[in-house]
Amino acid sequence: AQTVTQSQPEMSVQEAETVTLSCTYDTSESDYYLFWYKQPPSRQMILVIRQEAYKQQNATENRFSVNFQKAAKSFSLKISDSQLGDAAMYFCAYRRNGNQFYFGTGTSLTVIP
Amino acid sequence: NAGVTQTPKFQVLKTGQSMTLQCAQDMNHEYMSWYRQDPGMGLRLIHYSVGAGITDQGEVPNGYNVSRSTTEDFPLRLLSAAPSQTSVYFCASSYWTGHSGELFFGEGSRLTVL
Repeated sequence: AQTVTQSQPEMSVQEAETVTLSCTYDTSESDYYLFWYKQPPSRQMILVIRQEAYKQQNATENRFSVNFQKAAKSFSLKISDSQLGDAAMYFCAYRRNGNQFYFGTGTSLTVIP
Repeated sequence: NAGVTQTPKFQVLKTGQSMTLQCAQDMNHEYMSWYRQDPGMGLRLIHYSVGAGITDQGEVPNGYNVSRSTTEDFPLRLLSAAPSQTSVYFCASSYWTGHSGELFFGEGSRLTVL
């Protein structure tokens, strides 16, 4: 089974600052997807950003960007200009087509006003 | 767009009772799944299905039963509830191959077993 590791159970950031959440994964495949999901207190799971492994360019969605290091099997999420609404649990996930999703254990992000 | 609809949102059971969590999706997704979320443990896969009539076990299947009679519906049954099944449950669906690979989630169901 694949493993996804989020080594930071909790992180905090000052409002308007930048924070990076770490994720590593284990795979022997070359073609797969990586995701970051956000879970606010409402508990709804929201897709933040997606990266396709065959694309070398790092994905970006407004204030959210990733640092995808395929050889190192690392997929970190950078949140710029942090806002109070960014406070949530963040989950990293891995998937290959025709296969299961594998989730990390999550990082709880606190945004300090 | 309804997406993934999951009911009920909250439920309290007594030990030994049975119940069914309902899940329906309107996106014609082949893949449907049930996860449970417990503090510090992330999302753990209970059961999944890749099409009508096809189901398989995930990481934590014991005490749960599923069926997939249609593409749209994937109910999760607790046969005899135990306090260890107190958790938040998510139904999720996606295309099995191709497309964006994204998993779409229901709003979650908080189950308490007394």
